[in-house]
Amino acid sequence: QVQLQQWGAGLLKPSETLSLTCAVYGGSLSGYYWSWIRQPPGKGLEWIGDINHSGSTRYNPSLKSRVTISVDTSKNQFSLKLNSVTAADTAAYYCAKGEQWATIWYFDLWGRGTLVTVSS
Amino acid sequence: DIQMTQSPSSLSASVGDRVTITCRASQSISSYLNWYQQKQGKAPDLLIYAASSLQSGVPSRFSGSGSGTDFTLTISSLQPEDFATYYCQQSYSHPLTFGGGTKVEIK
Repeated sequence: QVQLQQWGAGLLKPSETLSLTCAVYGGSLSGYYWSWIRQPPGKGLEWIGDINHSGSTRYNPSLKSRVTISVDTSKNQFSLKLNSVTAADTAAYYCAKGEQWATIWYFDLWGRGTLVTVSS
Repeated sequence: DIQMTQSPSSLSASVGDRVTITCRASQSISSYLNWYQQKQGKAPDLLIYAASSLQSGVPSRFSGSGSGTDFTLTISSLQPEDFATYYCQQSYSHPLTFGGGTKVEIK
């Protein structure tokens, strides 16, 4: 059974860089897209971007200038960096596995989430 | 970006009620529509993918329908464990986008 375990710093100051990692256990990175999704407290979900095992990335244009998603196939992990954070970046951040049926992608497995708070 | 609009934003219902949640896309997305359930403090769980396909392990009281711009999630007989927030999500084009959510509360 595939599981996602994520970790990273939960408290940042404005202008710092958010850094999170998600490890994939019990399965391969190959054949899927691996996403980061965030949710501000009490609000809805926002897709940040994704990556495949080859390192091909897609980003949300709203965050593209500040986001880097990378993959480490030797460790079966993928990571998120978001630079120059502000209070508006305070959110629960989730990693998620993108599965495909025909040409339709959906998130069938999610990490438990990491609450990241940006405060001076 | 494709905008996803859910209605209602919240509803109150009783155990045993039939509940319907609507999701509308700002342009046609064929059947590229997924539904998730999120309970308080937890990550979302996939319920329905490709508009009407039930994810493995999800109770059959959940069903999805629609194509193009208008979609529906139906819970045929609401159970205590179904009180949660529900989100639709389109995967027709990037950036992937979610609806604003529908909170289902106990009446």
